[in-house]
Amino acid sequence: DIQMTQSPSSLSASVGDRVTITCRASQSISTYLNWYQQKPGKVPNLLIYAASSLQSGVPSRFSGSGSGTDFTLTITSLQPEDFATYYCQQSYSTPLTFGGGTKVEIK
Amino acid sequence: QVQLQESGPGLVKPSGTLSLTCTVSGGSISSSTWWSWIRQPPGKGLEWIGEIYHSGSTNYNPSLKSRVTMSVDKSKNQFSLKLTSVNAADTAVYYCAIKGGYSSGPRYYSYIDVWGIGTTVTVSS
Repeated sequence: DIQMTQSPSSLSASVGDRVTITCRASQSISTYLNWYQQKPGKVPNLLIYAASSLQSGVPSRFSGSGSGTDFTLTITSLQPEDFATYYCQQSYSTPLTFGGGTKVEIK
Repeated sequence: QVQLQESGPGLVKPSGTLSLTCTVSGGSISSSTWWSWIRQPPGKGLEWIGEIYHSGSTNYNPSLKSRVTMSVDKSKNQFSLKLTSVNAADTAVYYCAIKGGYSSGPRYYSYIDVWGIGTTVTVSS
């Protein structure tokens, strides 16, 4: 199985801050990497697919980058509705695996 | 837009079998789609359980493979999950989901783009 490691596991930030979340794969996965946002009690929502493609309807302040084993999700100018937990997920091979999550909290 | 709805018992006894069904609306179970199950223990992250194609082809997570069976009922536009010999560690919110995708040249990128609302299953006596 491909292990996905996210860092940090949690962070505190203020509205307007630039936030960066990192995801590392245990082996090269090219750009087969997705990012999801999950708010408490809600279903995960796809933000980014193929490492850097923005899902339809997702605000442009979200962006993804990386390839191989190292990936980044960036939120420019954090908004109140962005406080949530973010997960990366590899789609290179089954079993599909998720990172442990990064909880973005209000500072 | 395809919608998914999970159904099944919310409480299962230890060593028993967890059985869930996902009803597909707004689309056909026979479409070119992999139908997935994903779970999330309380306060924890997401775990992919496996997926099934309308033909009956399956891919299971090796960590659960010995206990998991998935099936499709085309007449009811549903797919199902059975997990045997459950214990407290199987307590979770269970989601059914669609693995969509996008082609770019020779590459096909998949992602989970439609989720059911989830159903909580508690394993307890």
